[in-house]
Amino acid sequence: EVQLVESGGGLVQPGGSLRLSCAASGFTFSSYWMSWVRQAPGKGLEWVATIKEDGSERYYVDSVKGRFTISRDNAKNSLYLQMNTLRAEDTAVYYCGRVVSHTNDYWGQGTLVTVSS
Amino acid sequence: DVVMTQSPLSLPVTLGQPASISCRSSQSLVHSDGNTYLNWFQQRPGQSPRRLIYKVSNRDSGVPDRFSGSGSGTDFTLKISRVEAEDVGVYYCMQGTHWLWTFGQGTQVEIK
Repeated sequence: EVQLVESGGGLVQPGGSLRLSCAASGFTFSSYWMSWVRQAPGKGLEWVATIKEDGSERYYVDSVKGRFTISRDNAKNSLYLQMNTLRAEDTAVYYCGRVVSHTNDYWGQGTLVTVSS
Repeated sequence: DVVMTQSPLSLPVTLGQPASISCRSSQSLVHSDGNTYLNWFQQRPGQSPRRLIYKVSNRDSGVPDRFSGSGSGTDFTLKISRVEAEDVGVYYCMQGTHWLWTFGQGTQVEIK
């Protein structure tokens, strides 16, 4: 059974940093692209970043370029999102997802990031 | 960026009746590999999104056959043949053809 479990969310001040993790199981992690998608409270879905199987290609939404870094450790079956210089508008539930056919076929339960002073 | 526009944004439906959601993209979603990466997601209240349909019309495993997707180019539709109570939630279309991947605004489906 495919499982994706996010962790690392919490309350952080504007300008601060946070690192999200996603632990994957139930599939061969190193064979799949992976993504992060976020959802601000009461709002719709926004794709954030995607990374190729071996980490050689990474794509980001414009609003996080230069501030967020997606990475992975295939030996640990883990996906990460390093978030720096956080802003109030980054407040959201962050979901990790396995990518199949250019979209997430499986999603985690999400982790809430709140940026506030 | 490719803009995805859904309509309607709110859809009250009667149990057992059909429902239809439209999704239009600001440019063609035909990829250079010949596929059209238009997907549909369901998000029930308090839950993570769930993929229903990928590449326009392919149902994911476990998705009831009352859900169907159709369309081409820039114009796509999700249909529910007979709405059931468990179908309440928000439905999103999403394109994975062009970087950045983008979602529609979402359509709230509720029971009348």
